[in-house]
Amino acid sequence: AQTVTQSQPEMSVQEAETVTLSCTYDTSESDYYLFWYKQPPSRQMILVIRQEAYKQQNATENRFSVNFQKAAKSFSLKISDSQLGDAAMYFCASTAQGGSQGNLIFGKGTKLSVKP
Amino acid sequence: NAGVTQTPKFRVLKTGQSMTLLCAQDMNHEYMYWYRQDPGMGLRLIHYSVGEGTTAKGEVPDGYNVSRLKKQNFLLGLESAAPSQTSVYFCASRSLAGSRNEQFFGPGTRLTVL
Repeated sequence: AQTVTQSQPEMSVQEAETVTLSCTYDTSESDYYLFWYKQPPSRQMILVIRQEAYKQQNATENRFSVNFQKAAKSFSLKISDSQLGDAAMYFCASTAQGGSQGNLIFGKGTKLSVKP
Repeated sequence: NAGVTQTPKFRVLKTGQSMTLLCAQDMNHEYMYWYRQDPGMGLRLIHYSVGEGTTAKGEVPDGYNVSRLKKQNFLLGLESAAPSQTSVYFCASRSLAGSRNEQFFGPGTRLTVL
């Protein structure tokens, strides 16, 4: 079965510092999408950043950026200038192989704590 | 524009009872999805729909049924609830148009089966 692996169940960062969350995935597709979703205590799933596999340039959204290594099937999320509001569960997801329904395969998540 | 809404937000059932979760979206999206989220498991796809009148099984479909009679609504049914179905359920929708492939999520329904 296709899997997305987040090897860090929990991470902690000092406010204003930088933290990197890891994600690896497996797929046999050549074209796919990768996502990072944030889930704060409110439970709402919020899209943080997305990456199209055919684009070599790493995606960036304000303080959030990714390090996309296609050959290694690695997709890490870097949060710069961490803020208290960044504390949440972060889920990495990949589009499922075999079809165009856009189904997502999620990792088990990384709980990020931000210390003041 | 409410986006994706889910009804109810919380529910407690007894084993064997039935219920239906309603998902509604006002973005005219073609695709809709039902996920469940369990502690330490991330989100897993239960069923999905690629259009009105069509449904398909996801990763964990057993014990659930779905229907999509209207484009904007996607219903998830539990015919005979079991404690193993205690979970948080999320609905999501996605547009067929464009290349963003982004799913928009509802706020979730916390279901407890006693």
